[in-house]
Amino acid sequence: AQSVAQPEDQVNVAEGNPLTVKCTYSVSGNPYLFWYVQYPNRGLQFLLKYITGDNLVKGSYGFEAEFNKSQTSFHLKKPSALVSDSALYFCAVSDTGRRALTFGSGTRLQVQP
Amino acid sequence: NAGVTQTPKFQVLKTGQSMTLQCAQDMNHEYMSWYRQDPGMGLRLIHYSVGAGITDQGEVPNGYNVSRSTTEDFPLRLLSAAPSQTSVYFCASSYSGVRDILQETQYFGPGTRLLVL
Repeated sequence: AQSVAQPEDQVNVAEGNPLTVKCTYSVSGNPYLFWYVQYPNRGLQFLLKYITGDNLVKGSYGFEAEFNKSQTSFHLKKPSALVSDSALYFCAVSDTGRRALTFGSGTRLQVQP
Repeated sequence: NAGVTQTPKFQVLKTGQSMTLQCAQDMNHEYMSWYRQDPGMGLRLIHYSVGAGITDQGEVPNGYNVSRSTTEDFPLRLLSAAPSQTSVYFCASSYSGVRDILQETQYFGPGTRLLVL
């Protein structure tokens, strides 16, 4: 069975500092990995995905994520956090041939001015 | 394009009542799915469909029914509401294309907040 772990319920960072939101996964085949963001009272919005190729994936709003196969991780990063980045972030995974994504429990990012 | 739309935005039900949550998309996406979101548990898949006439169960299907008579619509039915079904429900859709469906980005609706008393 596939699974996703987001070990931190909340991440606090000061504006202008780099941020990392952690995600580890478990699948039986090659993984498809996604990051979504949810702002209050809104649906989820796509940030970026890894399907194959370069391990460093660049996405929307200056976010990027690094796929690490040996550590089965897909951490979300941004060099300089903005207060407007404060939101709930979800990592999701699937693998070849499956028909559904599995989401992590979410990490709340709080960026302080 | 309106994208993925959901109605109603908010609903209060009494235990035992039934209702249908509506979901529609105008992007000609073949794949559609329903999730529920509960605090601390992320999103859990209820049912999904890979095309008109084809549906399958997800992680938490009990108490819910779906059908897919058209590409555009994917309603979720609560047969007999229970307090445990109090949640926020999200519908999502994605393009299937010629690649593996799960490579595609999913587009989410704004959600339906359901309270069962």
